[in-house]
Amino acid sequence: GENVEQHPSTLSVQEGDSAVIKCTYSDSASNYFPWYKQELGKRPQLIIDIRSNVGEKKDQRIAVTLNKTAKHFSLHITETQPEDSAVYFCAASKNRGSTLGRLYFGRGTQLTVWP
Amino acid sequence: GAVVSQHPSRVICKSGTSVKIECRSLDFQATTMFWYRQFPKQSLMLMATSNEGSKATYEQGVEKDKFLINHASLTLSTLTVTSAHPEDSSFYICSAQRGTERYEQYFGPGTRLTVT
Repeated sequence: GENVEQHPSTLSVQEGDSAVIKCTYSDSASNYFPWYKQELGKRPQLIIDIRSNVGEKKDQRIAVTLNKTAKHFSLHITETQPEDSAVYFCAASKNRGSTLGRLYFGRGTQLTVWP
Repeated sequence: GAVVSQHPSRVICKSGTSVKIECRSLDFQATTMFWYRQFPKQSLMLMATSNEGSKATYEQGVEKDKFLINHASLTLSTLTVTSAHPEDSSFYICSAQRGTERYEQYFGPGTRLTVT
């Protein structure tokens, strides 16, 4: 099955700095890569996702890049704010048409943004 | 955005009893729902995939007779933890796929189960 590795496990940045979280996957057939933000005791929230036919996607301060050849994808958060502090999970899945494959999650990254 | 609810949000039960958790998609029909378990400071572990009108597909190591899943309609899936034990205490989260055209999964708010 798929194996998703996520690094780092913890990340501390100063407010206003950028944060980068990296993930690798093992199954070259995976074609959907979402990122979730989870605050303590709450549900994971989808913040951005990318499909394998796209190399980069941006939404305001958040961007995701995908390198299919190297089988890795990254989350970039610019101009970080204290409210960005949370656990971030990357995931990968293999979808065929309307059939949704299961998500394989990374272990998570605890991001702390210091004011 | 798509809304998924779970009930109850917290439950405390005694060892040996059964607990039912409901997962509902409120504003869309969910062809597929997923059930996860999350221990403190750990990632989400998929327990089973639930398709409306058919039997759930369980992940390796998950006892299907202990974790009963029923996907009765396109908006409701239930997880019953039977004969619960303290080691079953965890955060249980469901997610739902919105339709068949998009890959996004939307998560419920989770249910904190404590077995005493």
